Amino acid sequence: DTAVSQTPKYLVTQMGNDKSIKCEQNLGHDTMYWYKQDSKKFLKIMFSYNNKELIINETVPNRFSPKSPDKAHLNLHINSLELGDSAVYFCASSSGLAGAQETQYFGPGTRLLVL
Amino acid sequence: SQKIEQNSEALNIQEGKTATLTCNYTNYSPAYLQWYRQDPGRGPVFLLLIRENEKEKRKERLKVTFDTTLKQSLFHITASQPADSATYLCALDRGFQKLVFGTGTRLLVSP
Repeated sequence: DTAVSQTPKYLVTQMGNDKSIKCEQNLGHDTMYWYKQDSKKFLKIMFSYNNKELIINETVPNRFSPKSPDKAHLNLHINSLELGDSAVYFCASSSGLAGAQETQYFGPGTRLLVL
Repeated sequence: SQKIEQNSEALNIQEGKTATLTCNYTNYSPAYLQWYRQDPGRGPVFLLLIRENEKEKRKERLKVTFDTTLKQSLFHITASQPADSATYLCALDRGFQKLVFGTGTRLLVSP
């Protein structure tokens, strides 16, 4: 029944490793997002996809690569993890209707800790 | 540069009182503004949206105002309850379905 789900919920890994986070939404939405929430709780957008196409790409290191196999899924792959990547990563989705004021639906978050 | 400010300190109030949270922004003219609630260990949950041509919006015990001249939104919870304790985030539209979030204000409602 979960609208936006993410896996894994927790991820503890060593510096330099490569890891992926998966996101799925069952709301039939066209737009999906990745956000990073740092230790100060500041929630910042990283990427946005509309119907599998990248539409927002904030100033994010190219070690971060999103991938959308279909409009219900948006995965985030992170190469060469650094200590500063430790944060909570949230996936979100919205209906994506052109010109609509968009309510976003968030997943439960993935807590990434890089040691 | 664009800036969104919310009270960084926690707001402590007693049950039954009205909580008022502030969201100020600069160098920006959003078409709409949203408020979200975030509980510890969970993702934000949408509460209310107010458009630039609306002065006020209500939903049950919640009320949001939007003053585009002052560049400010106020979020009110009337008859507050301990269950209202959470962090409240304001988010501004930046076009192309992009939201920019404030840092949030933590609300603590004591019984």
